[in-house]
Amino acid sequence: IAGITQAPTSQILAAGRRMTLRCTQDMRHNAMYWYRQDLGLGLRLIHYSNTAGTTGKGEVPDGYSVSRANTDDFPLTLASAVPSQTSVYFCASRDSDNSPLHFGNGTRLTVT
Amino acid sequence: GQNIDQPTEMTATEGAIVQINCTYQTSGFNGLFWYQQHAGEAPTFLSYNVLDGLEEKGRFSSFLSRSKGYSYLLLKELQMKDSASYLCAVIDSNYQLIWGAGTKLIIKP
Repeated sequence: IAGITQAPTSQILAAGRRMTLRCTQDMRHNAMYWYRQDLGLGLRLIHYSNTAGTTGKGEVPDGYSVSRANTDDFPLTLASAVPSQTSVYFCASRDSDNSPLHFGNGTRLTVT
Repeated sequence: GQNIDQPTEMTATEGAIVQINCTYQTSGFNGLFWYQQHAGEAPTFLSYNVLDGLEEKGRFSSFLSRSKGYSYLLLKELQMKDSASYLCAVIDSNYQLIWGAGTKLIIKP
């Protein structure tokens, strides 16, 4: 089934540890996004990539990095996790500027 | 700054009709999306409006007025499974998505 796969589904992480959230899509979409969703704040954009080889910063990029080596994969790395990064992380992609976003099932991350 | 406003929470009765409003102030406008998000799940696409007027899709309809910076999502014949959060998102002049915080809809029998 075509779509976006995120891994892991959930994770408990000690503060200070490094963590990579994985995201893979098989729809050949050019644009990919990482959001975090916190209660009462809605979706906030962390980083995005308009096409393979390019990335950009969103609204809340500090403490996160991304790479886009190919069209399908868009991993999100927390270099040194802090408790404020406890959140649900969604990866998304879209075909063109006016197309709706397709979301992965999310990663629930708890930093202790 | 860019801003999207939606009510935080609404309650409605099974079988009734509910209207969820969204007002926006963005730098440019290239379309508006409505998404549904059940608790613990990913958002799923419901509707897209780029021209003024009403778009109907089964029990769900979405309306847009660009001059007023206003949209609403209309849900008819409410079912218990419609209990979810409804997210409004606007595509701005740079084709970036600006998201509202979402409206939690509670359906009572």
